[in-house]
Amino acid sequence: DSGVTQTPKHLITATGQRVTLRCSPRSGDLSVYWYQQSLDQGLQFLIQYYNGEERAKGNILERFSAQQFPDLHSELNLSSLELGDSALYFCASSPRQGRGETQYFGPGTRLLVL
Amino acid sequence: AQSVTQPDIHITVSEGASLELRCNYSYGATPYLFWYVQSPGQGLQLLLKYFSGDTLVQGIKGFEAEFKRSQSSFNLRKPSVHWSDAAEYFCAVVGNNNAGNMLTFGGGTRLMVKP
Repeated sequence: DSGVTQTPKHLITATGQRVTLRCSPRSGDLSVYWYQQSLDQGLQFLIQYYNGEERAKGNILERFSAQQFPDLHSELNLSSLELGDSALYFCASSPRQGRGETQYFGPGTRLLVL
Repeated sequence: AQSVTQPDIHITVSEGASLELRCNYSYGATPYLFWYVQSPGQGLQLLLKYFSGDTLVQGIKGFEAEFKRSQSSFNLRKPSVHWSDAAEYFCAVVGNNNAGNMLTFGGGTRLMVKP
């Protein structure tokens, strides 16, 4: 158990819908990262927050947005869902934002868009 | 931009045999390198990491990796594989901290262990 929790574990929805994925980082960790794992794209970085501020953006679609709240939990919002958004979404956290820091991964949220 | 290549998509080894998983990276400066393991239905767990010092790094579960700058490689090894090592293994690199410290992953190598 990494100490990172993600809810829900599974999500099934229809095209065009909007969903919110939630992540609670390890106690004391200030950085939160979101990654997407799909069969065709592999593991890809989406976005990073550090202490409530956006730190870095990767291959995140404009239909996707995220935020980190004052209690440091984070939410990833996916809207106008398409079939291709079906994937496993991971949240990870680290104490700060150093290059050598270990990122601790949650168990993921599996999203299926029908 | 940094990148990671894992040339082997699948590897099958017999239980008790040695294992080497290959990883090649592309990065202009000193890379920060990681190996993660993903068991079925699980998140990713860090096995080991390297960013300076001794180029042979020891990790958890009996794994080790060797950083070879001349070959741009960071191969993962284990002298004797156990059935519980069957999983997917990912090599990753962290780039320039000015752009965040996101992980760039390779495509992964799925390890199967024969009894």
